[in-house]
Amino acid sequence: GAGVSQTPSNKVTEKGKYVELRCDPISGHTALYWYRQSLGQGPEFLIYFQGTGAADDSGLPNDRFFAVRPEGSVSTLKIQRTERGDSAVYLCASSSPGRKNEQFFGPGTRLTVL
Amino acid sequence: DQQVKQNSPSLSVQEGRISILNCDYTNSMFDYFLWYKKYPAEGPTFLISISSIKDKNEDGRFTVFLNKSAKHLSLHIVPSQPGDSAVYFCAARREGSWGKLQFGAGTQVVVTP
Repeated sequence: GAGVSQTPSNKVTEKGKYVELRCDPISGHTALYWYRQSLGQGPEFLIYFQGTGAADDSGLPNDRFFAVRPEGSVSTLKIQRTERGDSAVYLCASSSPGRKNEQFFGPGTRLTVL
Repeated sequence: DQQVKQNSPSLSVQEGRISILNCDYTNSMFDYFLWYKKYPAEGPTFLISISSIKDKNEDGRFTVFLNKSAKHLSLHIVPSQPGDSAVYFCAARREGSWGKLQFGAGTQVVVTP
């Protein structure tokens, strides 16, 4: 079956612009997670959803970052007024209700802010 | 602050030998630990996990050991194979916060012929 997919795979933008990153979880997975990974570091938690609601958004660095999951499936991570420090790989993961301890990751979106 | 630490950025091991990866943590509220493997340009892939109520979990060539008193866990891979060459991340989850994993910085493993 299909895994977690993320689009675009690469995004280059200019400082100050707005970007949207999309995540399609594995079908039937009710929980969805966003992480970001900077060079030489492990993934850093941003937010996770259980269904349509954000269960924990404690990792969002500031109010420029926002994520939605309106129908409990696809999620969009939105970044306003991008800064060079936002450059990273943004990873999305999902997990099934019966095996919520295992998060299945997508390939990530590499965001570069010039 | 970094609550999950992998102090060895890289490890080189000969094919057929044992690979031992180490991870230390500082938060005593962590109750579940996981190891992920990552190839370039791919997302991390779940390998094996262990609950804090256990001290060992084995799955084929992979064994994870947990020493709660030392706040230390390790991943053993035996025998190591060329396909095991990847970055390995240790991750931990805090009790009551099951969706939020905290990752270490990773260890790059290279398995040589």
